[in-house]
This record gives sequence, C-alpha cells and structure tokens, in this order.
Amino acid sequence: DVKVTQSSRYLVKRTGEKVFLECVQDMDHENMFWYRQDPGLGLRLIYFSYDVKMKEKGDIPEGYSVSREKKERFSLILESASTNQTSMYLCASRAWRTSGQDTQYFGPGTRLTVL
Amino acid sequence: DAKTTQPPSMDCAEGRAANLPCNHSTISGNEYVYWYRQIHSQGPQYIIHGLKNNETNEMASLIITEDRKSSTLILPHATLRDTAVYYCIVRVPYGGSQGNLIFGKGTKLSVKP
Repeated sequence: DVKVTQSSRYLVKRTGEKVFLECVQDMDHENMFWYRQDPGLGLRLIYFSYDVKMKEKGDIPEGYSVSREKKERFSLILESASTNQTSMYLCASRAWRTSGQDTQYFGPGTRLTVL
Repeated sequence: DAKTTQPPSMDCAEGRAANLPCNHSTISGNEYVYWYRQIHSQGPQYIIHGLKNNETNEMASLIITEDRKSSTLILPHATLRDTAVYYCIVRVPYGGSQGNLIFGKGTKLSVKP
C-alpha cells in the first residue's frame, strides 16, 4: 500500500511565524503535490515537484515555498504565516514516470490555524 | 476534461451494495474515469479508474457503459466507514502540474445502520 504521511494533523501558529509542513511518501514516486482545501473552493494546487530539486508553481504559490532535497520528502514552507493561510493542507504523490497514470495518493492532511 | 454529473447525495443501508452513478456524456476516446472519495476531515483517497472495460479492485468495482457516457461505482458491501463524499473525474492522464486534481461537488454517501 502507498503510504503518504504528513508531519502534523493539527497545527496552531501565530501570524508572522515561519511554518514548516512535511510530507513523506514510501513508494518511490517521482511527483509530489501540495494542495490546500477550503470550503466551497475545492482543492487548489500550491506547488508541484517533478522530482528531486525540481519544482513548479501551482495556482496559488504566493506566500509559500517548497523544498525537495530527497525523493521521498516534500516540504511546504509558509515564510510568514497569515490568517488567510488558515486551511487544510494536503500532500499527494504520483508515480507518473513509471505508470503514465496520474493517480494520486494523499496524506491525511494538516489542519493549520493561524491566529 | 469532460464534465461530470453526480447526484448530490445518496443513502445506503449497511451491508448492502452502494451504487454511485456518474454521467459523462461528453467523454472523449482517450479520457479515463477516476473515482476518489473523501471521508470527513481526511485526505482524499483514490478508489479506482478505468478507460473502457469494467474494473475491480479490493475496494470497489467500476462499471462503464459501452458508449462510455456514464459509469457506476459499486461498493459491494457498504460499511459505516464508507460514509464519505465520492468524486467522479473524467480526463486524459496528465503529466506535470496539469495533473492537479479538480474535484466537482461529488456525491455525499451516507451509510446507515
């Protein structure tokens, strides 16, 4: 079974703090995604990584950065947290190069609250 | 990506089969049908996908009509833990960031004791 884990299920931070969200997958997948999910807005892509050290901005990258130093780990960084970044953050991985299919496997999500 | 239409909600008795329909009348020849679900406050979960033939895995079966304009996801013996929102997505497999998932409103399945 594909396992995607995220560092925290719930997180509370203060405005202006730097926040690190970590995601680890154990299936040697090349591609990894960071989304946020808000009521009524569905999933929105923040960043995508093709492979190690490779990244591409998604639809809403402002206020976020990412790091992919190892294949299994994809980190999302909120440089200076703001209240409008309160959301559910979801990480996903995909074995695109090996399967040619864009089936994505998600982590459990991190519910971040910024006060 | 082809547009899909799903009923907003359905009920199912525990232990019975849950049959979730999806209409995709504008599907093109190279588009696949994917199903995901999302249990409340959890990450989405991939269930199954198919192109033309019916598919079965340990979670569910996918029945695609011969003209491919509609499909049905079948959970053979629904349990309370199957209560979730189920999303049907029709699209060509994308590489790159174009592969980001876009969910519609889905069907909220409630499995009742």
